[in-house]
Amino acid sequence: GAGVSQSPSNKVTEKGKDVELRCDPISGHTALYWYRQSLGQGLEFLIYFQGNSAPDKSGLPSDRFSAERTGGSVSTLTIQRTQQEDSAVYLCASSLAKGTIEQYFGPGTRLTVT
Amino acid sequence: AQKVTQAQTEISVVEKEDVTLDCVYETRDTTYYLFWYKQPPSGELVFLIRRNSFDEQNEISGRYSWNFQKSTSSFNFTITASQVVDSAVYFCALSEYNQGGKLIFGQGTELSVKP
Repeated sequence: GAGVSQSPSNKVTEKGKDVELRCDPISGHTALYWYRQSLGQGLEFLIYFQGNSAPDKSGLPSDRFSAERTGGSVSTLTIQRTQQEDSAVYLCASSLAKGTIEQYFGPGTRLTVT
Repeated sequence: AQKVTQAQTEISVVEKEDVTLDCVYETRDTTYYLFWYKQPPSGELVFLIRRNSFDEQNEISGRYSWNFQKSTSSFNFTITASQVVDSAVYFCALSEYNQGGKLIFGQGTELSVKP
């Protein structure tokens, strides 16, 4: 079946602009996670959604970052007023349920802020 | 505090050699899960294995094996008879039961297998 998909695969934006990154989880997966991978910080958790519960936003680095998940499926990660330190690969993952079962990752969106 | 340490940043071996990737973790929880993921040059993270804190049995899957030891807080990964296709960055990760499944990753070990 189809895996996790993300779009765009690459995004170049100017400092100060807003960007939206999209994630389509595996069909039937109720839990969705966003991570960021950068050279300096490695792989970091950002936010996760589980069904209709309030998301866990504890990993978001600043209030410029937000995410939503519509209809329990597609998720959008928004970064406002981008900064150069936001340059990274943003990875989305989904799993069958919240908890400690395996997460399946998408190919990521490489964001470059110039 | 939760933490995962992969002390080996890079490892280079010749094909057919055995190689062990080390992973040491820290957690205060008694219920937790450990994972290994592979990230090949294509970039996509691939799930390899999950172990829970109550199951210390070692696991073998083909050329891959994992050694989980709670006494030393380690979850090491061995590749037997390595192949060029094993070249990738390998990440160890920890998830605590009450944290909703979010993964805490180690810094990764880049494995290069030369022909």
